[in-house]
Amino acid sequence: QVQLVESGGGVVQPGTSLRLSCAASGFTFSSYGMHWVRQAPGKGLEWVAAVSNDGNNKYYADSVKGRFTISRDNSRKTMDLQMNSLRAEDTAIYYCAKEGTGATGWAAFDIWGQGTMVTVSS
Amino acid sequence: QSALTQPRSVSGSPGQSVTISCTGTSSDVGGYNHVSWYQQHPGKAPKLMISDVSKRPSGVPDRFSGSKSGNTASLTISGLQAEDEADYYCCSYAGSRWVFGGGTKLTVL
Repeated sequence: QVQLVESGGGVVQPGTSLRLSCAASGFTFSSYGMHWVRQAPGKGLEWVAAVSNDGNNKYYADSVKGRFTISRDNSRKTMDLQMNSLRAEDTAIYYCAKEGTGATGWAAFDIWGQGTMVTVSS
Repeated sequence: QSALTQPRSVSGSPGQSVTISCTGTSSDVGGYNHVSWYQQHPGKAPKLMISDVSKRPSGVPDRFSGSKSGNTASLTISGLQAEDEADYYCCSYAGSRWVFGGGTKLTVL
């Protein structure tokens, strides 16, 4: 079935780096844009970054621009988020999400992973 | 990049209808017909309920409907059921970025 599985979360100190991964299965990964969305503890959802289906176009929220890098490997059906210069305010559950189909529209997120927790603390 | 504005909470009794608003600007909600709504139960991942303002994905009950007027989008849930109690988030495309609302907690009394 269609599935997204995130990995790579953990506890890190401020100023350090962490790399998250999202493994996709059950759909033609190379046909869809992919996103990272995060949720700080007890807070709402925040869009973080997006990558086009071919990996050529990348978009970032202002809060992470210059620190985070999104990438994908269509041959391995994976998407990554390289997070550098981490701050306490980056503490959150990070979800990967798939762009919608023709029926739902490309601008919606129709499949979500279960999330991976990132804690930035000294 | 300001978040879209949603009421913090709404409530209704079983069988009733509730509407959750989502107010943005002409740069997001008002500028694109790409508003989506997500339901999130505690400890779970969000679930797409409405896309492109009013499209309902396969498997979503027709009790859920969406609309938009100007810079404000709305999610209406009719015939409230206990399992509808959850957090609801709106989201709008805003030109090479996406912006979420702050979320609304729906309580079924």
